[in-house]
Amino acid sequence: QVQLQESGPGLVKASQTVSLTCTVSGGSISSGNYYWSWIRQPAGKGLEWIGRISTTGGTSYNPSLKSRVTISIDTSKNQFSLNLSSVTASDTAVYYCARGGDSGNYYGFVYWGQGTLVTVSS
Amino acid sequence: DIQMTQSPSSLSASVGDTVTITCQASQDISDYLNWYQHKPGKAPKLLIYDASTLETGVPSRFSGGGSGTDFTFTITGLQPEDIATYYCQHYDNLPITFGQGTRLDFK
Repeated sequence: QVQLQESGPGLVKASQTVSLTCTVSGGSISSGNYYWSWIRQPAGKGLEWIGRISTTGGTSYNPSLKSRVTISIDTSKNQFSLNLSSVTASDTAVYYCARGGDSGNYYGFVYWGQGTLVTVSS
Repeated sequence: DIQMTQSPSSLSASVGDTVTITCQASQDISDYLNWYQHKPGKAPKLLIYDASTLETGVPSRFSGGGSGTDFTFTITGLQPEDIATYYCQHYDNLPITFGQGTRLDFK
């Protein structure tokens, strides 16, 4: 059973870069042809897809965040990461990493981390 | 971007009720639609994919339907553990987008 776990600073200052890591266990991040995504939820608001990276390193980003987002993968550590630069208070949110399923549910987010709260302070 | 519009934004119901949520896409997305249940402090849970296919292990009281631009999500026989916020999500193209959510609580 694949498990995901986010880690990173809970507090970051405005204008800085927040870096989050998602550690994958229960399987190799480089096996299969999966997309590894980051999704966030600001307090009291809905879910927003940030972007994703494929097993082979190809990336896609939400245009609303594209200029500030970088997603990378480290197969040796079985991790993928999110860098979000020039953060503001509007980036305060719970950040999730997620992956699709193995068959018909391939494009659904089946596997999720527990979420990590990032608060941007002034 | 494809906009996903859910209604209602909130809903109150009683145990045993049948509740229906609708999701409208701003353009044709075929059946490239998923539904999630999200409880506070937990990760969202995929309930239905491809608009109407029940994810493994999800109770049969949950169902989904529709195609093109108009979709429905139904809980038949509401249970106490179903109190949550429900989201639709398309995957027709990028960026993936979610509906704004429907908060379901008890009367």
